[in-house]
Amino acid sequence: AQSVTQPDIHITVSEGASLELRCNYSYGATPYLFWYVQSPGQGLQLLLKYFSGDTLVQGIKGFEAEFKRSQSSFNLRKPSVHWSDAAEYFCAVARHRDDKIIFGKGTRLHILP
Amino acid sequence: NAGVTQTPKFQVLKTGQSMTLQCAQDMNHEYMSWYRQDPGMGLRLIHYSVGAGITDQGEVPNGYNVSRSTTEDFPLRLLSAAPSQTSVYFCASSYSPNYEQYFGPGTRLTVT
Repeated sequence: AQSVTQPDIHITVSEGASLELRCNYSYGATPYLFWYVQSPGQGLQLLLKYFSGDTLVQGIKGFEAEFKRSQSSFNLRKPSVHWSDAAEYFCAVARHRDDKIIFGKGTRLHILP
Repeated sequence: NAGVTQTPKFQVLKTGQSMTLQCAQDMNHEYMSWYRQDPGMGLRLIHYSVGAGITDQGEVPNGYNVSRSTTEDFPLRLLSAAPSQTSVYFCASSYSPNYEQYFGPGTRLTVT
């Protein structure tokens, strides 16, 4: 069965430090991969997506993610976090011609001043 | 464009009551879906629709009904509310599951 795993439920980093949020997926073919962010009390907003081509994709708010087929991973990174990055982050996976998108359980990011 | 709108924002129901959560989008998206979000559980798909007149079940459909008579609207009906349905509900729309999902602001539902 298809699945998306975000191993870290909570992550705490200091403001200005680098960040990496992990995402692993289990799918039969090359998937469509997404990262969404949810600020407190808000809906989800797309950060970035990977469909094909360059495996390093750039998103909004200074985020990037790298697709590694050999590791079935799509980790989200940011070189220097800001206090406003405190939110919950969701990795999601869809498959070509499939009718559903699968979300991970989310990683909540806390920022220390 | 208003994007995806959901009403109401908050709702309190008593066990056994029924209600409809409204969802509308003005982007002419074919694909619409309903999720519930619970602490530690992430987003779980309740029902989805790939176009007007076509709906299907997601991961947690029990206790919920949907219909899609127009492209714009995708209401979610709770038939007989139970405390286990206390959650935050999100509606989303897109051109397809492979494209960016646009989410509404959510409805926080409490069932007592």
